[in-house]
This record gives sequence, structure tokens and C-alpha cells, in this order.
Amino acid sequence: SVLTQPPSASGTPGQRVIISCSGSSSNIGSSTVNWYQQLPGTAPQLLISTNDQRPSGVPDRFSGSKSGTSASLVISGLQSEDEADYYCATWDDSLSGVVFGGGTKLTV
Amino acid sequence: EVHLLESGGGLVQPGGSLRLSCAASGFNFSSFAMTWVRQAPGEGLEWVSSISARGGGIFYAESVKGRFTISRDRSKNTLFLQMNSLRAGDTAVYYCAKNRGPGVSAVKDYWGQGTLVTVSS
Repeated sequence: SVLTQPPSASGTPGQRVIISCSGSSSNIGSSTVNWYQQLPGTAPQLLISTNDQRPSGVPDRFSGSKSGTSASLVISGLQSEDEADYYCATWDDSLSGVVFGGGTKLTV
Repeated sequence: EVHLLESGGGLVQPGGSLRLSCAASGFNFSSFAMTWVRQAPGEGLEWVSSISARGGGIFYAESVKGRFTISRDRSKNTLFLQMNSLRAGDTAVYYCAKNRGPGVSAVKDYWGQGTLVTVSS
């Protein structure tokens, strides 16, 4: 994948987990980053938009940030229902298309 | 409430064709770009194609360029994906997604439930 994520992450209930997303100047370095959550057997849903914005209904336990060519998703106060796959995504100017990270499987 | 309903998936032989549809409701379809994203079994998300709100901006992933065609019918509030020369590697669940704005680079804020395409002999 153009964007690099760790394939897996884990934590216990109540812990804080950070998922990283690394790119380059043609994607993260020049565009905003979005994060998607995919619960088992369901379609992806928007979790964080424009680097750090939570859509209505997303708990404030989820937060995002971006610095240079990297982005991070932070999940605080981990809950069992947070067990899912998480994907970062952005626009890539060189490819003229959307690029996704390979996804991180979070185990609680 | 935004609703996206994909249809048209199924089993097709290598080299065959399929046309996917995505019926949109709950928003002004003509004002937003739309996107197709696919997910092969057990794999991650892969962007396939996007079309701007007015249809003038169309982009494809290299893996489907020249074989797939995205289009939209504003009168029917429907997004399409014509898939030709299908290969085994095209086997995936295909999701339709709404962009937040008229441009193709905008965040995908709503997704359909997907339709499964299986390419096999």
C-alpha cells in the first residue's frame, strides 16, 4: 500500500492505543487524512475526517492528528466494541487517486 | 437519511463483463462526487474510481484503467461501474461511497453495504 500502517494493534479495556499512518509528500504531505473503521462483516464507516474532525456520533475517545507526512489515530479508553479494522486514506497528487493504508486490525 | 444501495454483482467468467449500480437517496445526488472502492476477500480497501459531481472529472486506479468505466445518471440518482475484461484479481466486494463535496478528493462520508463480484470459471 502507498500508505503504511501496522498490520495489527492490541490493548486491554481502558487503555490508549495509537495507530500510525505513514505516507509521502504527494499524499499525506499535501492532503488531509481520513480514517475509516470497519467492524467485522460490515461496510467501512467514516471515523475521522480532515485530519482531526469527528463526524457526528463518533465518540470523543477517537482522535486524529497529522504532522508532515504522517498521521495518527488515537483511541483512548479502549472498549471491546472498538475491535475492528482501521484504515487511513488520503488523495495522492502523483497518482491522481485515493490511496488507502493497508489497514490495522485492532484486538481488544 | 443518506442511503446507498449497490446491485449488479455476481459470478462471471474471466474475460466477462458486469455492470454495477448504486442507487442513491437522502441527499442531492447532483451536488456530490461519488466513488467506488473494492475489498478482495480477507484484504484491505482499494480505491477503484471516482467521478465528480458534474461528471467532468473522472479518475481510475491503474489496475482497472481501460477496463472499467464509471458514470452517473443524475435523473435516476444512480452511479454505475461498467466492468469489462474481468480477471480473477477483480474478485471483491465493491462499495459505493458518497464524497463530502463536489470534488473527487473529498472525504467519503457515506458507504453502501457492498455487492460481491466473483470472477471465476
